[in-house]
Amino acid sequence: EPEVTQTPSHQVTQMGQEVILRCVPISNHLYFYWYRQILGQKVEFLVSFYNNEISEKSEIFDDQFSVERPDGSNFTLKIRSTKLEDSAMYFCASTNNQFSYEQYFGPGTRLTVT
Amino acid sequence: AQSVTQLGSHVSVSEGALVLLRCNYSSSVPPYLFWYVQYPNQGLQLLLKYTTGATLVKGINGFEAEFKKSETSFHLTKPSAHMSDAAEYFCAVTPILTGGGNKLTFGTGTQLKVEL
Repeated sequence: EPEVTQTPSHQVTQMGQEVILRCVPISNHLYFYWYRQILGQKVEFLVSFYNNEISEKSEIFDDQFSVERPDGSNFTLKIRSTKLEDSAMYFCASTNNQFSYEQYFGPGTRLTVT
Repeated sequence: AQSVTQLGSHVSVSEGALVLLRCNYSSSVPPYLFWYVQYPNQGLQLLLKYTTGATLVKGINGFEAEFKKSETSFHLTKPSAHMSDAAEYFCAVTPILTGGGNKLTFGTGTQLKVEL
């Protein structure tokens, strides 16, 4: 069964460093998302991406964040200068067409900023 | 705007007992509703969804949920709990808008514990 994959599973970085989280969505999917879950809190929407541009972004997704689909398969989330409060589990999700509301989630990347 | 309220951050049941996890939503437009399950150190797995049609929806692992518009609720139930059901459960909502690709708004989650 096709699945969303994410790498790395765990990333430790120092405050101020840049990180790139990688996702490979399901191959025929067109809409892509990033969510995050701070430990003990709910899952929060960060950004959605369609047709090589951002469809919607939350207040969390400030100019320190960016997303890219550099080739036909990867979908990346970059944090330019990490802060302690960026420590969270980051989930990538995808869905296959504009009429499908079922999002398929990856296993997540745990980001720890020290 | 949408929001989801999950009553009870922790629910404990005995194995074989009824599971009831509560979810109420607020939405300015008709919603689609979902329940996701998260096992320890894993991602989110879709349990079931309500989009259109029958208001009682069945999902995986014996779970079901009923959409009650008048009560703005979408409670999750399972007649008989199993030890393997221990996990965190998230209710989520997305608006029915043309074009799709809409974000999910999640509740705060309910941790289900199943005891012998």
